[in-house]
Amino acid sequence: RKEVEQDPGPFNVPEGATVAFNCTYSNSASQSFFWYRQDCRKEPKLLMSVYSSGNEDGRFTAQLNRASQYISLLIRDSKLSDSATYLCVVNIWGGGADGLTFGKGTHLIIQP
Amino acid sequence: GAGVSQSPRYKVAKRGQDVALRCDPISGHVSLFWYQQALGQGPEFLTYFQNEAQLDKSGLPSDRFFAERPEGSVSTLKIQRTQQEDSAVYLCASSLILTRDRGKGTDTQYFGPGTRLTVL
Repeated sequence: RKEVEQDPGPFNVPEGATVAFNCTYSNSASQSFFWYRQDCRKEPKLLMSVYSSGNEDGRFTAQLNRASQYISLLIRDSKLSDSATYLCVVNIWGGGADGLTFGKGTHLIIQP
Repeated sequence: GAGVSQSPRYKVAKRGQDVALRCDPISGHVSLFWYQQALGQGPEFLTYFQNEAQLDKSGLPSDRFFAERPEGSVSTLKIQRTQQEDSAVYLCASSLILTRDRGKGTDTQYFGPGTRLTVL
């Protein structure tokens, strides 16, 4: 079983709509959580960190549910420029696991 | 300001050749990570340095892969006797974090543009 699982999509969404996707993680020792955005043939870029209390950055809202081990991302009033792959990422410290663990990504296409 | 840079951006190698991929992290960043991203997949962790010390190499797929960071800044990932399955994008990331400071908001990793390796 992969440590971080995401629906790969693609999600085809009309401009202006709200879209949400989740990811689940298997390791309860996970301690940091992030959403990264990756455009085609580009490097991943941090979109936002995810905190237990939930956090919002403009049109983007991230939530963490530690009990159920899932992370969500909500995008409101979607723009064409939001089209990208969204990577769910967890960080598990110690025990030799020092790098980020990425999901495969969810591909989002915003249509005009 | 300057971000993470990597060179070359593209590398084509014949099967069996050795390659060396370079990463220049953000100045002052203590931690440096290498990832491998195959087509259609998320990045997979390869190895991690804190300054010049390689603290974790659990993700290196075989003993043909070797990484170093001798002076605690620039890092090189070397792949010996390349195979077709080594074809991927190799991403380098750096962060400010020291192990003892994890959780204090400094563990954001900043990625370079990657080196796209194609082994023929």
